[in-house]
Amino acid sequence: GAVVSQHPSRVICKSGTSVKIECRSLDFQATTMFWYRQFPKQSLMLMATSNEGSKATYEQGVEKDKFLINHASLTLSTLTVTSAHPEDSSFYICSASSSGGFYNEQFFGPGTRLTVL
Amino acid sequence: AQSVTQPDIHITVSEGASLELRCNYSYGATPYLFWYVQSPGQGLQLLLKYFSGDTLVQGIKGFEAEFKRSQSSFNLRKPSVHWSDAAEYFCAVGAGSSASKIIFGSGTRLSIRP
Repeated sequence: GAVVSQHPSRVICKSGTSVKIECRSLDFQATTMFWYRQFPKQSLMLMATSNEGSKATYEQGVEKDKFLINHASLTLSTLTVTSAHPEDSSFYICSASSSGGFYNEQFFGPGTRLTVL
Repeated sequence: AQSVTQPDIHITVSEGASLELRCNYSYGATPYLFWYVQSPGQGLQLLLKYFSGDTLVQGIKGFEAEFKRSQSSFNLRKPSVHWSDAAEYFCAVGAGSSASKIIFGSGTRLSIRP
């Protein structure tokens, strides 16, 4: 299957700083990328959907000014957590698809563990 | 609203034993259903999916799932588990007007007893 990478795999930062997480599709062009958040022992919650070259579409309740998403190329999307606070600590997972619909499989990255002190 | 329920948080089975992981969904129209597996350090991997047609779906790694509309269920089965099957399993439903949203259940952690 297609490979999606995330960097870093884990990051620890101080409260008030910003953190950038990269999501790359290594062997295919990702028209659409998705960002999820997963709390311990809980399900993945979709945060936003981004299409290359367009603004991201955020799910209800997700602060777009806090979670900045950029999808500048067909192989890279970034999620920046601005002014991070301890409650932002979580496991962030991206997925990529060569098409917008789920009829085409989403390929998931391994996730990034964010800890905010 | 669409939702997915996985009633079992943690299941332990012996290696070589059969497995069934339960999943119930709530969705108004014909659901698009998925099972994913999440192993530590790896991304979620699609095991199988149901869109239409035969209600018994075969997946990778020897897994299968059966769609039962009358019970709103999509249970995952494997006749004989291997130690390498220990992981977190997520049932999910495709939803949304643009058909791009996947709603995940809370997951079932599978442990294998030697």
